[in-house]
Amino acid sequence: GENVEQHPSTLSVQEGDSAVIKCTYSDSASNYFPWYKQELGKGPQLIIDIRSNVGEKKDQRIAVTLNKTAKHFSLHITETQPEDSAVYFCAAGSARQLTFGSGTQLTVLP
Amino acid sequence: DTAVSQTPKYLVTQMGNDKSIKCEQNLGHDTMYWYKQDSKKFLKIMFSYNNKELIINETVPNRFSPKSPDKAHLNLHINSLELGDSAVYFCASSQGLTYNEQFFGPGTRLTVL
Repeated sequence: GENVEQHPSTLSVQEGDSAVIKCTYSDSASNYFPWYKQELGKGPQLIIDIRSNVGEKKDQRIAVTLNKTAKHFSLHITETQPEDSAVYFCAAGSARQLTFGSGTQLTVLP
Repeated sequence: DTAVSQTPKYLVTQMGNDKSIKCEQNLGHDTMYWYKQDSKKFLKIMFSYNNKELIINETVPNRFSPKSPDKAHLNLHINSLELGDSAVYFCASSQGLTYNEQFFGPGTRLTVL
C-alpha cells in the first residue's frame, strides 16, 4: 500500500517568514496530492491540492510543488501569520483512498 | 449550514461497553469515510462507503461496524470497547472516491476508561 512520509514534525517560524513542509510517497499510482490544515479541536480542512499532471500550483500565500519522478511534493507558505499556526497534513490519493502523512505542527511566532 | 456533522462530540465510557457515533452530511456527496486520529495526530482511514456500498475496510477489528442507512449518513458502532480505542474519530464525505476534496466533520473524542 501507499506510504507517505512528512517532514518536519514540528516547525516554528517568525511571523512574516516562509514555511516549507515536505512529503514523499511510495506508490507511483498516486496522482492526487492534497494538503489539509487542522486547527485545534477541529477537523482537517483542505487548503490546496495538486494533481499529477501539474508541477506547481499557487493560491495567494500558499503554493504546492510536485516532483512525480522523485515522488515528493512540498507545501510553501509565504508571509506567515499567527493564524497559520496549525497542524498540516499532506496526503497522496489513488483510485481507492487517501493516505495521510503524519502531520507537521506549524507555530508562527509573533 | 451545509456541513458534515457528528454526534456526540465527546464520549466517555467504560471498557467493555458498546457505543455508537453518528455522522450526517448535507453536501449531497456520494462517498463517506471514517478516520481514526490517535494521540500523535496520525490520521488513518478505517472505512469508506460509496453510494451505501462498503469500499474500503482497513485492518480494523471487527468490533467496529459501520452502517450506512442512506448516502447522507454513516454511523459507526463499536462493541466491547478497549482502552486502545481511545482516539478522535472523524467522519468525512466527498463526491466520488478520491481526487476530490474530502470534507471533515468536527470529530468525536472517545475516551475509554
